[in-house]
Amino acid sequence: DAGVTQSPTHLIKTRGQQVTLRCSPKSGHDTVSWYQQALGQGPQFIFQYYEEEERQRGNFPDRFSGHQFPNYSSELNVNALLLGDSALYLCASSPWGGLAGSWWYNEQFFGPGTRLTVL
Amino acid sequence: AQSVSQHNHHVILSEAASLELGCNYSYGGTVNLFWYVQYPGQHLQLLLKYFSGDPLVKGIKGFEAEFIKSKFSFNLRKPSVQWSDTAEYFCAVNAPHSSASKIIFGSGTRLSIRP
Repeated sequence: DAGVTQSPTHLIKTRGQQVTLRCSPKSGHDTVSWYQQALGQGPQFIFQYYEEEERQRGNFPDRFSGHQFPNYSSELNVNALLLGDSALYLCASSPWGGLAGSWWYNEQFFGPGTRLTVL
Repeated sequence: AQSVSQHNHHVILSEAASLELGCNYSYGGTVNLFWYVQYPGQHLQLLLKYFSGDPLVKGIKGFEAEFIKSKFSFNLRKPSVQWSDTAEYFCAVNAPHSSASKIIFGSGTRLSIRP
C-alpha cells in the first residue's frame, strides 16, 4: 500500500515565477492538507481539501491556491514567488470522518515533501 | 489565537537516560494534542495523541505524554531512550470547536542520543 506521495522532490524557481506541487493521498483517504515548513520551524497549515473544495485555510495569502481532483489527489499552486516562499512543502492525507470537524480526530499521514528553493 | 511553544530546541542525552520534552500551548477551550516525530530521512509521523479521557496517553516506541490542563502543557516522556530515538519531535494542538479550527505545530525539538 503506497503511502502519501509528492512530486517533484526538489524544485528551484526564481522570484516572480509560479509553481505547482502535486500530492497523491494514501489509499482510502479523501482529505488532503498542505503545510509549509521553513528551515528550523514546525509545519504551518496552509489549507485543507475535501470533496474538491477548500475546507479550512491557514494564514497564507491568496498567492497560495489549491485544487483537489476527483481521485482525491491535490495540487498546491503558488504565484508570484518570493524568496520567503523557500521551504519544504508537506502534504498530509486522512479520512474526512463523516462530520465537519471530525477530520481533526483522524491521524494524518505525511508525505516526504517537496523542497522549493526560490532564487 | 492558538500557539504552541517548545522551549527545548536541542536536547542531547546518553542512551538509557530519561527524556522529557516540554510543550505548552495557549488556548482556553477544548484542545486536541499531538506529538509527531521525524526520524532522519523519514516522513513526519504521529507518535501519540490526546483527545479526551485519561490525561496520560501512551504512544508508539515506549513514549508517553501527560496532559495537564491547569498548566496548558503536554510534555513528552520516555523512561529510557535509545540511539534510535534520535529525531526531531513536534508538538501540535488543534481546537476542534473553534471557528478558526486548524492545527498549529511547535517549532520542534531536536533530540540527539549519544551511543
